[in-house]
Amino acid sequence: EVQLLESGGGLVQPGGSLRLSCAASGFTFSSYAMSWVRQAPGKGLEWVSAISGSGGRTYYADSVKGHFTISRDNSKNTLYQQMNSLRAEDTAIYYCAKPRRGSGSYYDFDYWGQGTLVTVSS
Amino acid sequence: DIQMTQSPSTLSASVGDRVTITCRASQSISGWLAWYQQKPGKAPNLLIYDASSLQSGVPSRFSGSGSGTEFTLTISSLQPDDFATYYCQHYNNYSPSFGQGTKVEIK
Repeated sequence: EVQLLESGGGLVQPGGSLRLSCAASGFTFSSYAMSWVRQAPGKGLEWVSAISGSGGRTYYADSVKGHFTISRDNSKNTLYQQMNSLRAEDTAIYYCAKPRRGSGSYYDFDYWGQGTLVTVSS
Repeated sequence: DIQMTQSPSTLSASVGDRVTITCRASQSISGWLAWYQQKPGKAPNLLIYDASSLQSGVPSRFSGSGSGTEFTLTISSLQPDDFATYYCQHYNNYSPSFGQGTKVEIK
């Protein structure tokens, strides 16, 4: 059974940093690109970042480019997102998401974690 | 960037109704489109991928159609479990985006 379990969210002051983790199980983690998707309170979904299965290629939304970094440790089946210079508009539930296929599109997400809440506030 | 626009934003319907949600892309995305259902406090659930392919385990009352810039999600006979928010999402390139969502409410 595929499982994705996020952790690392919490309350942080503007300008602060957090590192999110997503522990994956039930599939061959290194064969799949992975993404982070966020949802601000009461708002819609926003794709944030993606990383290839090997970790060699990364992609970012313009809204986070330069202050978020996605990475992965395939030996630990874990996805990460380092978030620096956090702003109020980064407040959201952050989901990690797995695509349907190990090859092809990175972004048709068939499994999502339960999400971890990041609140940026003084 | 490709913009995705859903209509309507809110839809009031009754159990048994046929429901159609439209999603338009600002440029052609071929058939690289997914539909998700999201209930309050839960992660999204994939319903349709590649515009018209039904995800495993999803009831057959859900169907998707379209290509290029215009797509539809149809629920053939609305069930109580279907009251939720629905999102379309393109994956035509390495910068995917979602529509703003359509909330299906009880009439």
